[in-house]
Amino acid sequence: SYVVTQPPSVSVAPGQTATITCGGNNIGGETVHWYQQKPGQAPVLVVYDDRLRPSGIPERFSGSNSGNTATLIISRVEAGDEADYYCLVWDRNNDRYVFGAGTMVTVL
Amino acid sequence: DVRLVESGGGLVQPGGSLRLSCAASGFTFSDYWMHWVRQVPGKGLVWVSRIDSDGNSITYAEAVKGRFTISRDNAKNTLFLQMKSLRAEDTALYYCARTQYGSNPFRSGFDIWGQGTTVTVSS
Repeated sequence: SYVVTQPPSVSVAPGQTATITCGGNNIGGETVHWYQQKPGQAPVLVVYDDRLRPSGIPERFSGSNSGNTATLIISRVEAGDEADYYCLVWDRNNDRYVFGAGTMVTVL
Repeated sequence: DVRLVESGGGLVQPGGSLRLSCAASGFTFSDYWMHWVRQVPGKGLVWVSRIDSDGNSITYAEAVKGRFTISRDNAKNTLFLQMKSLRAEDTALYYCARTQYGSNPFRSGFDIWGQGTTVTVSS
């Protein structure tokens, strides 16, 4: 089955840029979605189709996908961005869906 | 207001059964593919199952295949997850989620989530 890999944690100072990766074999040929989940809350879609933002999501959230790595970038990080972030990919060979293990973003 | 509300969770003994429901409102339920996703407290998200808009295309995670059955009633705007032969490792918060409307629903993300219903499998 398709496997995606995320770093367990990322720490960033307020106002700086957080970069969260999602690695997978030729993931650039797939479509990646990103979710933010705060404690006690349901996940929220922050980037879909590699780089698009749903309405209501700040422009500070952006995404890219190429080669073996998809990336979620949070610019000008705020305290409210502290959360777990998950990538999601469709495993086309098995018709199943795969979440990354999640990255905890800590705002210093 | 677009909304998904799960129900049916609870405490069940190993080997037991449970049926989860997800009531949809605020959108045309029959137009959307739907998913179940679960999460053990303190752990990550795990996809469980997907059903297409008509109920004809269904897929399951390997861990639940043969034990769980996803279905839907478009007339009642409700998604279901019938769970049988439950194990301790099925203990989790179960979310239903809507597939984002797009040209290829297979690869689309999940744009609307419920708040989840908790399933605890324990003797």
